[in-house]
Amino acid sequence: EAQVTQNPRYLITVTGKKLTVTCSQNMNHEYMSWYRQDPGLGLRQIYYSMNVEVTDKGDVPEGYKVSRKEKRNFPLILESPSPNQTSLYFCASSLTGSNTEAFFGQGTRLTVV
Amino acid sequence: AQSVAQPEDQVNVAEGNPLTVKCTYSVSGNPYLFWYVQYPNRGLQFLLKYITGDNLVKGSYGFEAEFNKSQTSFHLKKPSALVSDSALYFCAVRPYFYNQGGKLIFGQGTELSVKP
Repeated sequence: EAQVTQNPRYLITVTGKKLTVTCSQNMNHEYMSWYRQDPGLGLRQIYYSMNVEVTDKGDVPEGYKVSRKEKRNFPLILESPSPNQTSLYFCASSLTGSNTEAFFGQGTRLTVV
Repeated sequence: AQSVAQPEDQVNVAEGNPLTVKCTYSVSGNPYLFWYVQYPNRGLQFLLKYITGDNLVKGSYGFEAEFNKSQTSFHLKKPSALVSDSALYFCAVRPYFYNQGGKLIFGQGTELSVKP
């Protein structure tokens, strides 16, 4: 089954404790992105990748890092989480960056206290 | 700035009645247009897209959407709503050029509630 898998689904952490949210897709997609969803704001792109070792900032990259060492994996790293990063996070992948739809993971609900 | 607007935070419809969820956009060029649905505690599921051609596109679960270039709108429609259609709906636009790795620009979402 074609899917994007994120882990963990839920995470509560303390300010400053480094964490990683994993994302893996099994569709051999070139393009991957991370989004955060906040009430009333829809989803906003954090980082994106167009291929292995090619990553770049999206619209809200502050406080986040990513890596793309393998085509299927695109982890999101919070080096020093802060309460304003409490949000619902989605990983997405697509075959192209144009006319193909994106597939989304189940989401990771992160709470930073 | 490029943006997508969904003017209604919530739409309430009786089961069996037609439904419309509105979306307008402000994006240069001829963007690609998408609708997604989000059920509680689930990811976003793709419903349909407009790339080119016929202004009326059909998608999953009986949904369709009408593209109107002059009004820069892409409203989601369904002739007969079901209680199971109750969910959060997102309109999204992907710019044709310089789109940050295929970035989708999302509206803020519309909560659809279908009552029996």
